[in-house]
Amino acid sequence: NAGVTQTPKFRILKIGQSMTLQCAQDMNHNYMYWYRQDPGMGLKLIYYSVGAGITDKGEVPNGYNVSRSTTEDFPLRLELAAPSQTSVYFCASTPGKRGVYNEQFFGPGTRLTVL
Amino acid sequence: AQSVAQPEDQVNVAEGNPLTVKCTYSVSGNPYLFWYVQYPNRGLQFLLKYITGDNLVKGSYGFEAEFNKSQTSFHLKKPSALVSDSALYFCAVSLRGGATNKLIFGTGTLLAVQP
Repeated sequence: NAGVTQTPKFRILKIGQSMTLQCAQDMNHNYMYWYRQDPGMGLKLIYYSVGAGITDKGEVPNGYNVSRSTTEDFPLRLELAAPSQTSVYFCASTPGKRGVYNEQFFGPGTRLTVL
Repeated sequence: AQSVAQPEDQVNVAEGNPLTVKCTYSVSGNPYLFWYVQYPNRGLQFLLKYITGDNLVKGSYGFEAEFNKSQTSFHLKKPSALVSDSALYFCAVSLRGGATNKLIFGTGTLLAVQP
């Protein structure tokens, strides 16, 4: 299994540009998450999904959108990039089986700079 | 508000000495508790978790953590530190009874092990 994969690894955007960060998992996990990591701030949840077709906002959703059309993929969309979105973005997944609590598995991250 | 505190930004320890990385939490109910490690330019890796049962939890790479309900703490420990343990460590909690397995992260503690 490849686990959780993310593309691209690095990206530089200009203010106002748009892009999609890709995330895929091959573990048949139901739950998927997007976090951003800023220095000294830990990880903040942007959006999450508990299954295909179901998404919900996390702690810091403004400026982002998500979709979940398949179990495997959970792309994160930035519509109008702003310097405040400069960060490292992590995707994660977990089985999400009722009554069982598993840890989350993280991808390698995407480092995004908005200039 | 639910929160996780890691009071030390950095912990310095000599190789071979015991190490402790502190974590306290403020959440309603009895949470699930986790420790993750992040090596430079990598995603987060799961170390250990407390769900129920014995307050001393053993995890990967010789790490262990002690759950203390009265002090709402979950400190990470290792009897003998290695230089290769140098990394960023995150404590996280998840609320019982939730259907999303969302995590609340601390801000992280940088562990530096000197040879």
